[in-house]
Amino acid sequence: SAVISQKPSRDICQRGTSLTIQCQVDSQVTMMFWYRQQPGQSLTLIATANQGSEATYESGFVIDKFPISRPNLTFSTLTVSNMSPEDSSIYLCSSGPGGETQYFGPGTRLLVL
Amino acid sequence: GENVEQHPSTLSVQEGDSAVIKCTYSDSASNYFPWYKQELGKGPQLIIDIRSNVGEKKDQRIAVTLNKTAKHFSLHITETQPEDSAVYFCAASNTGANNLFFGTGTRLTVIP
Repeated sequence: SAVISQKPSRDICQRGTSLTIQCQVDSQVTMMFWYRQQPGQSLTLIATANQGSEATYESGFVIDKFPISRPNLTFSTLTVSNMSPEDSSIYLCSSGPGGETQYFGPGTRLLVL
Repeated sequence: GENVEQHPSTLSVQEGDSAVIKCTYSDSASNYFPWYKQELGKGPQLIIDIRSNVGEKKDQRIAVTLNKTAKHFSLHITETQPEDSAVYFCAASNTGANNLFFGTGTRLTVIP
């Protein structure tokens, strides 16, 4: 199974600012995903990070708000732009060995004041 | 798209008893069904999964059953221990799509 790390583990930010979250996988993987988990809720897929091409966003999420980079097969970043208190959530990175199995990072806990 | 429903939302059991969590899905094309355990302050951890070509899978105290006809699958935990206390999520996917669709979660509390 893939081992995934995320930085930062948590942050408190002011509204109107941006935060970039990093995700590192210990092996090369085809697929990397970004999820949002609002307090006490389930996981919602934000986008699929594609290596060498633009990310694929789910309905309700747009590139201007959540730009994603995937420079290689082990690393991805998610930026939460122009933050508001509604963006306070846990942001999770996941990856799989190319199939449907996904392993998750520990998450980044974001509080926007 | 796929819709996954999960019940119950909370479940309390005495230590040593069994716990059962049930999920239903809507898309007959879904063929992969993982279960995740999320402890407080951590990311979801894959604990068991099942593919549509089998009806049951066991791993020590954990088992998952799948009924493709009825489109439901269940997680069974036997001889529960306090460390089993966590939020459990079911999910479903179509391997061709790669996306996982998650249920709403079950908060399991094992009372010592």
